[in-house]
Amino acid sequence: GAVVSQHPSWVICKSGTSVKIECRSLDFQATTMFWYRQFPKQSLMLMATSNEGSKATYEQGVEKDKFLINHASLTLSTLTVTSAHPEDSSFYICSARRAGGRVGSQPQHFGDGTRLSIL
Amino acid sequence: AQSVTQLDSHVSVSEGTPVLLRCNYSSSYSPSLFWYVQHPNKGLQLLLKYTSAATLVKGINGFEAEFKKSETSFHLTKPSAHMSDAAEYFCVVEGDMRFGAGTRLTVKP
Repeated sequence: GAVVSQHPSWVICKSGTSVKIECRSLDFQATTMFWYRQFPKQSLMLMATSNEGSKATYEQGVEKDKFLINHASLTLSTLTVTSAHPEDSSFYICSARRAGGRVGSQPQHFGDGTRLSIL
Repeated sequence: AQSVTQLDSHVSVSEGTPVLLRCNYSSSYSPSLFWYVQHPNKGLQLLLKYTSAATLVKGINGFEAEFKKSETSFHLTKPSAHMSDAAEYFCVVEGDMRFGAGTRLTVKP
């Protein structure tokens, strides 16, 4: 159990276009989902925390208008990179945390990531 | 606030020898702790978790970790390394969704 599906796994697009990445918890309800960005050979950088039915909480330095996050249901969160440019090229990873238990005591379950390449 | 420190950025072992990846935590109570593994170009996979039950936690792929409150440690071990264990490993404390630098494990033939 605890499978998270992230789609697409790889996307290449032209500069200026918007790209939407989906993150779905397939067999559990996730009140909280997280979006990370990872540069080559670096650790994950938390971009934002997404709570179902409310606005996402963005980390310092992450542009809210650039990276739009929607968490409309307990099983789906989306990240839209608006007007993407080459510097937005990166590996984006989502994770979902099952509801219940002490806050933060549940592990995160990760998607397989999305490789975004902006030409 | 809780935090963790992974003491080694890179660990290199030979295939068939033991693996030790070190993690120390900081917390005012006994938190839940997790170890994750990331293979190249992949998301993270949960190896094991400690949630205040048994202090010795067994995970997948032969890994285990022992919670030692007196040492505030949660080191990850495996008796015999396999080539497929080569990856990046992350220790995470509950409530902290920010990842540290991790430990890169290299396994030599």
